[in-house]
Amino acid sequence: KAGVTQTPRYLIKTRGQQVTLSCSPISGHRSVSWYQQTPGQGLQFLFEYFSETQRNKGNFPGRFSGRQFSNSRSEMNVSTLELGDSALYLCASSLDGLLSSPLHFGNGTRLTVT
Amino acid sequence: GNSVTQMEGPVTLSEEAFLTINCTYTATGYPSLFWYVQYPGEGLQLLLKATKADDKGSNKGFEATYRKETTSFHLEKGSVQVSDSAVYFCALSDFTGGTASKLTFGTGTRLQVTL
Repeated sequence: KAGVTQTPRYLIKTRGQQVTLSCSPISGHRSVSWYQQTPGQGLQFLFEYFSETQRNKGNFPGRFSGRQFSNSRSEMNVSTLELGDSALYLCASSLDGLLSSPLHFGNGTRLTVT
Repeated sequence: GNSVTQMEGPVTLSEEAFLTINCTYTATGYPSLFWYVQYPGEGLQLLLKATKADDKGSNKGFEATYRKETTSFHLEKGSVQVSDSAVYFCALSDFTGGTASKLTFGTGTRLQVTL
């Protein structure tokens, strides 16, 4: 069974630009979550989508947005990039987002903002 | 709000040594507790979990017991191997907002095992 796939693996963008990251969950998984990992702040929850609806979100500015498609694939968008957005962005999928369904993480997209 | 506190790393051990990585938490209600492991250049892998007090999670020789009285979930392994070298994250989920996918993570503890 294929794991969670994130594309691209690496991105370099300039301050002020926008970026879109993609995540394909494990087949059959309907919940997709996004996390930001930085050396200073650690792992922080961005948002979770289930059946194309955002079900929960963390404390990030509105520049961070996402969506989920009918096939459960998800995209995350960051507009007006800032230097502090440089991070590893991790996507995780689970069957339904319940406690009985563990999160499976992808290998992440490393975003560098210059 | 919820929080997880892990011992600072790095932790350096010789192969076959005993491992303990401390983790304590603060949460309202009855959270589920997890240990995740991250190998270089990879995402996180679930190592073990416990969903209620006194539960013991175990996997690949690692163990952790959910201690509600001390709000702790310390990770232990009796004999580490070089291949265990990685960063270990303690995390909790309290099923808020209709989902258990919002995890609160500790800062991570880097483990290095030498021959």
